[in-house]
Amino acid sequence: EPEVTQTPSHQVTQMGQEVILRCVPISNHLYFYWYRQILGQKVEFLVSFYNNEISEKSEIFDDQFSVERPDGSNFTLKIRSTKLEDSAMYFCASSVSMGQDYGYTFGSGTRLTVV
Amino acid sequence: QKEVEQDPGPLSVPEGAIVSLNCTYSNSAFQYFMWYRQYSRKGPELLMYTYSSGNKEDGRFTAQVDKSSKYISLFIRDSQPSDSATYLCAIGEQAGTALIFGKGTTLSVSS
Repeated sequence: EPEVTQTPSHQVTQMGQEVILRCVPISNHLYFYWYRQILGQKVEFLVSFYNNEISEKSEIFDDQFSVERPDGSNFTLKIRSTKLEDSAMYFCASSVSMGQDYGYTFGSGTRLTVV
Repeated sequence: QKEVEQDPGPLSVPEGAIVSLNCTYSNSAFQYFMWYRQYSRKGPELLMYTYSSGNKEDGRFTAQVDKSSKYISLFIRDSQPSDSATYLCAIGEQAGTALIFGKGTTLSVSS
């Protein structure tokens, strides 16, 4: 079964520091996404990425956040200056375009703790 | 308004019971309907996906979409203790766009 792989599984950082969360989407997928889940709350959409550019972003995805696909396999989320409220699980996901096998698959997540 | 409502439970059932999980939504433009299972501090695992409307069955799981009522359901037959998890409904409007998640229903199946 193809998987979305995320690293690291857990990251602790000091407030104000930059963090980069990494993801390897499923190889034949075309759309890539980042979501977050604060403990005890809903899974929330951050951003979607298609054809090397952002296709949609939420209000949460402000100037502190950026995404990049630096090569043919990796997809990264950067938080420039972390705040305490950025502490959450961050999930990467990928999907094909549409149709019967949408395959919107999530990774296991990175638990980000900002101290 | 793009909201998805889901009863958070918790829901406790004995092994072998039929479980019914439900979500309602408000925006008629939604076309993509998913059910995910999530274990504590893990990523959502895709269980069922339905495009547009109708029913879909996969083993012990059946997903139903009623677009006229803006209501989706997941049925689990012959529930097992290993089905104990949080079940999330997620709905999307267009391919490649955001999924809107419900809060999740926590299910506990006792042996």
